[in-house]
Amino acid sequence: GAVVSQHPSWVICKSGTSVKIECRSLDFQATTMFWYRQFPKQSLMLMATSNEGSKATYEQGVEKDKFLINHASLTLSTLTVTSAHPEDSSFYICSARASGSGRPNEQFFGPGTRLTVL
Amino acid sequence: AQKVTQAQTEISVVEKEDVTLDCVYETRDTTYYLFWYKQPPSGELVFLIRRNSFDEQNEISGRYSWNFQKSTSSFNFTITASQVVDSAVYFCALSEFAGNQFYFGTGTSLTVIP
Repeated sequence: GAVVSQHPSWVICKSGTSVKIECRSLDFQATTMFWYRQFPKQSLMLMATSNEGSKATYEQGVEKDKFLINHASLTLSTLTVTSAHPEDSSFYICSARASGSGRPNEQFFGPGTRLTVL
Repeated sequence: AQKVTQAQTEISVVEKEDVTLDCVYETRDTTYYLFWYKQPPSGELVFLIRRNSFDEQNEISGRYSWNFQKSTSSFNFTITASQVVDSAVYFCALSEFAGNQFYFGTGTSLTVIP
């Protein structure tokens, strides 16, 4: 089956530092990947849609200069939280949409990355 | 606008009881997909079911069953003979046919008491 990995699975950093989270589709190509954020006891909120080889599309209210997304290949998208602050502490989940999938709108979710900013 | 409502924030049941998790959605699209995911404490989303808007047949998978009713825009999920391992947060989600975005409900936290 389609597998999506995220690295790291958890990270603790100091306020003001930048953190990079990787999302990889392990056994399929994904032209589109999605980044979600989930605060404790809340739902998943889409942050941005990442398309291979082009700029990401950010949802309203998400700062593109703070959350840098790079989708450089068909199997890798990265989310960099720049100058992280405690309010950025959250659970970040990526998903990948398989290219040429016979099942439209099928997305595969990664296991998530828990970010804690001290 | 697309919207998914899970009115039940938290549910507690005793083991072996049946429990139904409600999901009501709103969409203007005639073609769409509905999903249920389980999120255990580890955080990883576990896919449970995907249903397209043209398929209103109810589905049963082991102790799980789903009741899709377009007339009431509902896609409810029933767990029969609940077990402690069923304790988790369950999310209902909607996706447009031609779109990418998933619209998640706020989730229902299920606790099964032994």
